[in-house]
Amino acid sequence: QQQVKQSPQSLIVQKGGISIINCAYENTAFDYFPWYQQFPGKGPALLIAIRPDVSEKKEGRFTISFNKSAKQFSLHIMDSQPGDSATYFCAPGGTQGGSEKLVFGKGTKLTVNP
Amino acid sequence: DTGVSQDPRHKITKRGQNVTFRCDPISEHNRLYWYRQTLGQGPEFLTYFQNEAQLEKSRLLSDRFSAERPKGSFSTLEIQRTEQGDSAMYLCASSLTGGARELFFGEGSRLTVL
Repeated sequence: QQQVKQSPQSLIVQKGGISIINCAYENTAFDYFPWYQQFPGKGPALLIAIRPDVSEKKEGRFTISFNKSAKQFSLHIMDSQPGDSATYFCAPGGTQGGSEKLVFGKGTKLTVNP
Repeated sequence: DTGVSQDPRHKITKRGQNVTFRCDPISEHNRLYWYRQTLGQGPEFLTYFQNEAQLEKSRLLSDRFSAERPKGSFSTLEIQRTEQGDSAMYLCASSLTGGARELFFGEGSRLTVL
């Protein structure tokens, strides 16, 4: 788990604000960089993912920014809504050697106040 | 509902007992994963199947843990001689694509060992 560090642990934003969550990793073999969203009592669900040959990917209000040299990637949620309140996990993985393992961070609990 | 189904959703057992969890993946998905999640942590990879073959196992999967996927359909995860440290949410996920892309998680089976 120490291979992946997420920050902050928790985040409170107002409705309409921007939420930013960061993820730092150590393993340079990682070649897939997803963010998962988890609501209480549910399993994680894939939110958005990026490959290392791209520096940014946007899907609706969600954007991933990727910095390969710094070994970091971040999730930006624009116009945050109360329905976005959940725990977010970065979970980089790599297929070097055929591994199918994702390494999840400890999570960031996001609360969006109305 | 055509998502990943897990059973039972909750299991309370006494230390030393054996427990078994079942996972039914999305029907056309040939890849199946087991993860374990403890409170306040991200999911940790346990094992991975492609069809009926168990191709990857984490060192977390001690000798007391065994997973099977007969006929490449549903999977079972058995924990023998449970210990209090086994208390966790056991998550199953399935995927159609390789490289741990696009994992679809079930809602998990919560184990409490008294």
